[in-house]
Amino acid sequence: GAGVSQSPRYKVAKRGQDVALRCDPISGHVSLFWYQQALGQGPEFLTYFQNEAQLDKSGLPSDRFFAERPEGSVSTLKIQRTQQEDSAVYLCASSPGHPGGLLVSPLHFGNGTRLTVT
Amino acid sequence: DQQVKQNSPSLSVQEGRISILNCDYTNSMFDYFLWYKKYPAEGPTFLISISSIKDKNEDGRFTVFLNKSAKHLSLHIVPSQPGDSAVYFCAASFTGNQFYFGTGTSLTVIP
Repeated sequence: GAGVSQSPRYKVAKRGQDVALRCDPISGHVSLFWYQQALGQGPEFLTYFQNEAQLDKSGLPSDRFFAERPEGSVSTLKIQRTQQEDSAVYLCASSPGHPGGLLVSPLHFGNGTRLTVT
Repeated sequence: DQQVKQNSPSLSVQEGRISILNCDYTNSMFDYFLWYKKYPAEGPTFLISISSIKDKNEDGRFTVFLNKSAKHLSLHIVPSQPGDSAVYFCAASFTGNQFYFGTGTSLTVIP
């Protein structure tokens, strides 16, 4: 596709439920990022993949959060036993470059998944 | 601790005038800076970037200025247009594998 695609666009979960959020990056993009954006805040880094390898997961707020990208393309962010404080927009972004190299590539964001935990 | 700060939550400007959005950062290791524009219910869209080896980068109506000694960058939009009304985020990186975002400035361009 032309851009980063995320599904679902909206998700309402009852406290304690598990949710799975999907991200289809731009074809051929090596790097994939997940961000969490709370209301009125900027995006906060969660985790980063280079191909299928999860190179940084330092931003995941707890062990209830888990991300995978098994074939180096589509990624899933899973949140177990959701809590109200997990309510936020979850943004996925991809970029073509290899972070840490000489050139830094801008991130291309999807439209996000708005998660509401009731 | 917020490493990238946008201290003005909102800004209103008349159409045709200059919009200046400001951003401050604390980590002197940052070497790449970006501005993103965000419309409601959409993801942020990349606007313009600057490397720390430069102090200015221009793209059409948009110019980003970087003052490394002050750890400050700004985005100038001239002339401002109503379609520029959006939330603008600045972001910074030093490895390219983690981007730190500010809290955003909501720009309203008044026709």
